Amino acid sequence: DAGVTQSPTHLIKTRGQQVTLRCSPKSGHDTVSWYQQALGQGPQFIFQYYEEEERQRGNFPDRFSGHQFPNYSSELNVNALLLGDSALYLCASSLVVGELFFGEGSRLTVL
Amino acid sequence: SQQGEEDPQALSIQEGENATMNCSYKTSINNLQWYRQNSGRGLVHLILIRSNEREKHSGRLRVTLDTSKKSSSLLITASRAADTASYFCATERNTGNQFYFGTGTSLTVIP
Repeated sequence: DAGVTQSPTHLIKTRGQQVTLRCSPKSGHDTVSWYQQALGQGPQFIFQYYEEEERQRGNFPDRFSGHQFPNYSSELNVNALLLGDSALYLCASSLVVGELFFGEGSRLTVL
Repeated sequence: SQQGEEDPQALSIQEGENATMNCSYKTSINNLQWYRQNSGRGLVHLILIRSNEREKHSGRLRVTLDTSKKSSSLLITASRAADTASYFCATERNTGNQFYFGTGTSLTVIP
């Protein structure tokens, strides 16, 4: 049973560019959440998708957007990248209530 | 913003000793979970304690929750070098799996 998979694992972008990160949830999970983890910090909640709708959103600007597909996989898009967007982006899948299952993350470096 | 704060920020112990780390949070919660992260990789769920529970055990892990003090502790007994990692508490304020993570405790177990 595959766990949560994320791609790409590492990527480098320059300021102003746009990036798309991808996540496939654990089999049977219908809810996908995205977190941003800056170096030395804990993960911060970006948003959550359920039934292809954004259900909850953290304190992130509109430059951060997402999508969930009918097979429950998800994408995170970040536009107009800033240096401060450099971080580890974590995807977590879950059922309605319970523990989060995390992927290994996508490490984004913005130059 | 971070919901929880772990204490201490860093902890170094000898193999075989017990490790205790604490988490304080600010608002009422439905449940509190502890996660472990190895060197910037994905987080792994360790244990969940609900707001109406006071103590929970899982193998070498013991978690306590004091909702009156808005605090929790994680005890790892008979530590091993493989326990070296960062440990985060995460609180769920309302249903829907939106979790708020603390800043983490970096544990080093010296063989």
